[in-house]
Amino acid sequence: NAGVTQTPKFQVLKTGQSMTLQCAQDMNHNSMYWYRQDPGMGLRLIYYSASEGTTDKGEVPNGYNVSRLNKREFSLRLESAAPSQTSVYFCASVWETGVQETQYFGPGTRLLVL
Amino acid sequence: SQQGEEDPQALSIQEGENATMNCSYKTSINNLQWYRQNSGRGLVHLILIRSNEREKHSGRLRVTLDTSKKSSSLLITASRAADTASYFCATDAANSKLTFGKGITLSVRP
Repeated sequence: NAGVTQTPKFQVLKTGQSMTLQCAQDMNHNSMYWYRQDPGMGLRLIYYSASEGTTDKGEVPNGYNVSRLNKREFSLRLESAAPSQTSVYFCASVWETGVQETQYFGPGTRLLVL
Repeated sequence: SQQGEEDPQALSIQEGENATMNCSYKTSINNLQWYRQNSGRGLVHLILIRSNEREKHSGRLRVTLDTSKKSSSLLITASRAADTASYFCATDAANSKLTFGKGITLSVRP
């Protein structure tokens, strides 16, 4: 039972390059989220998926796309990376009842865009 | 904004002392959660307190919630060097996503 896994752990890109961050969960949760974490900014929601086949924008979606490939996997794509996208990216899988949710985070992907 | 705000931003204490961290929020919530993040890792859920609860315990953690003041506190008793981490409060309200604060950096000196 691995929980939430993310690949890669580290990545360096040049401006304009593209890449896909992968996330997978084995907890059979419906909802999955992508965040970025920057110093002094806390966690900011990029996109989320409430169920397989659905995705919605969060607080900072510009420059990103997502795919909910199946219930387990939720990927984040940068089509043309910019230095402003240098950040640590976290995927979270969400356990939710009708009245509460608890988020389970992956270990993060550290991205540097030069 | 629903976002919780933690206070202080940074806290440094000696091992064995208690650490108290505070969180304030702006609108009514269903529940409030605290998460911990060790350096270079993802966030880990610590404890959840519902809006109709005033106090909750889990091991060395004690969380209080005052809905009239829209504030919560996290107390870590008998702190250890391994408690060194960032701590985040997160608020959960109806029809909104879980919203995280910017975090408190706790350093526990051996």
